[in-house]
Amino acid sequence: QQQVKQSPQSLIVQKGGISIINCAYENTAFDYFPWYQQFPGKGPALLIAIRPDVSEKKEGRFTISFNKSAKQFSLHIMDSQPGDSATYFCAASNTMDSNYQLIWGAGTKLIIKP
Amino acid sequence: DVKVTQSSRYLVKRTGEKVFLECVQDMDHENMFWYRQDPGLGLRLIYFSYDVKMKEKGDIPEGYSVSREKKERFSLILESASTNQTSMYLCASSLRGGAYGYTFGSGTRLTVV
Repeated sequence: QQQVKQSPQSLIVQKGGISIINCAYENTAFDYFPWYQQFPGKGPALLIAIRPDVSEKKEGRFTISFNKSAKQFSLHIMDSQPGDSATYFCAASNTMDSNYQLIWGAGTKLIIKP
Repeated sequence: DVKVTQSSRYLVKRTGEKVFLECVQDMDHENMFWYRQDPGLGLRLIYFSYDVKMKEKGDIPEGYSVSREKKERFSLILESASTNQTSMYLCASSLRGGAYGYTFGSGTRLTVV
């Protein structure tokens, strides 16, 4: 119940295309869903996050779509650029538990081909 | 600019050595974490700490210990390094609670030979 399942493990997208990464969870107590972006040689950095009271959140070319009934959320990268090539991690947590940690997906290595 | 600083980017150690990985944060965060990252396995939590002198085991604590004597510093200790501990080690910190972003260091690439 603690797992967050992320797919695909790797993804190759042409420049200008849409990149889509999916995550699924089981624990209905989760109420905070961030995405992190990691470039080679760097630690992951918070990219965008969503709460389950909204179905979509957009920041620039990055959009999180959230489906509470299906317990799934996804990251869409519009007009993908070579600079978006990175590893992306989804995560989830229960904010009502003050000591709760983030539960991480396994990561997706995204390559944008020029 | 707030940051998490890991003392070494690259380390090469011999099997059986005692290894110390240091992490310092300047954000007054309560929570600190040590992860290891291996290809295809994502981020695996080794240990975390919610306060000074407090520590909790994560998913893969075997072969590791930690120390948190000051709020800003969290050390990971490999008691007797083994080749299967060759990995990227990431330190992170956050405010207390489950809704705050983690700030990660740049990582330490440890090779045990």
